[in-house]
Amino acid sequence: EPEVTQTPSHQVTQMGQEVILRCVPISNHLYFYWYRQILGQKVEFLVSFYNNEISEKSEIFDDQFSVERPDGSNFTLKIRSTKLEDSAMYFCASTGLLQSNEQFFGPGTRLTVL
Amino acid sequence: GEDVEQSLFLSVREGDSSVINCTYTDSSSTYLYWYKQEPGAGLQLLTYIFSNMDMKQDQRLTVLLNKKDKHLSLRIADTQTGDSAIYFCAESPQGNTGKLIFGQGTTLQVKP
Repeated sequence: EPEVTQTPSHQVTQMGQEVILRCVPISNHLYFYWYRQILGQKVEFLVSFYNNEISEKSEIFDDQFSVERPDGSNFTLKIRSTKLEDSAMYFCASTGLLQSNEQFFGPGTRLTVL
Repeated sequence: GEDVEQSLFLSVREGDSSVINCTYTDSSSTYLYWYKQEPGAGLQLLTYIFSNMDMKQDQRLTVLLNKKDKHLSLRIADTQTGDSAIYFCAESPQGNTGKLIFGQGTTLQVKP
């Protein structure tokens, strides 16, 4: 069964460093998302991406964040200068049908900013 | 605004039914979802319901939707210890890009 994969599973970085979180969505899906979950809190929407551009972003997704689909399979989230409060679990998701919007999530990347 | 609320914790005995409740605010939401998160794992889509339905049954899972009260529930029949997890309710507001708005999750504890 096709699945969304994410790498790395855990990333530790120093405050101020850049990180890139990688995702491989399900191959025939067209809509891609990043969410984050700070420990013990809600899963929060960050950004949606379709047709090689951002279609919606939340207030959390400021200038420090960017997304890219560099080739036909990868979907990346870059945080340019990490802050302590960026420590969270980051989930990638994809869907093939916006109407029913059955989003399939990856296992997540745990980002720890020291 | 967009907001989804759930109770934080539910404890049941194995074999009993579990009912997890959720309220949402955006009446434009076309679909409503239930996700399951096991410890250290990602979010697994359990089931979803179209907003013009009142009920959807899928094996041990029954979803009830009261659109007037914006209330959604998930009933798990014959709850097993393997059902212990966090359950998230989510809405997908219409006219946007498919973003999901999640509740804070209900931790289901199943005692043997």
